[in-house]
Amino acid sequence: DVKVTQSSRYLVKRTGEKVFLECVQDMDHENMFWYRQDPGLGLRLIYFSYDVKMKEKGDIPEGYSVSREKKERFSLILESASTNQTSMYLCASSPGTGYSHEQYFGPGTRLTVT
Amino acid sequence: GQNIDQPTEMTATEGAIVQINCTYQTSGFNGLFWYQQHAGEAPTFLSYNVLDGLEEKGRFSSFLSRSKGYSYLLLKELQMKDSASYLCAVMDSNYQLIWGAGTKLIIKP
Repeated sequence: DVKVTQSSRYLVKRTGEKVFLECVQDMDHENMFWYRQDPGLGLRLIYFSYDVKMKEKGDIPEGYSVSREKKERFSLILESASTNQTSMYLCASSPGTGYSHEQYFGPGTRLTVT
Repeated sequence: GQNIDQPTEMTATEGAIVQINCTYQTSGFNGLFWYQQHAGEAPTFLSYNVLDGLEEKGRFSSFLSRSKGYSYLLLKELQMKDSASYLCAVMDSNYQLIWGAGTKLIIKP
């Protein structure tokens, strides 16, 4: 069964802290994605990766960085958390070949920055 | 700019039929996806359309008209468990997904 896991379901951090969100997939997918989801807005792409050690900026990369050292793991880093980064963060993965492939999502991490 | 429009909220009755519309304006088109997302959970894939017409999958069907920039998701024989948000997403010319804000569907007994 397809599985994407995220390190935490809920996280509370203070302004200025460095935050790590981890995502692991067990499907040998090439592509991995980080989104944030806010009420009234669609999913917004932060970063994505098509291969190990490869990363591409999405629509809203400011204030975030990512790391992909292994194929199955894609980490999102908030270098200095701010209150406007309070959101639901969703990780997703998809196979590398063919654009009709759906994305498989993790359960999400609800991050609150105080 | 790129834009996906869908109604914010819809209400329907158990056992009835509901149609959720999605209109889009994107830079190129490489297919349209529908996802279901229950409150507090991850989105899950429902359907993919790249050619015009209707795709049926059990109680759910999805329709696409590329010339009109329009799609709809049709849910038949509604059940209480269908209460969820339904997300429309279009893959643009760069093979990136552009997401709508989602339609919250409320099913009443």
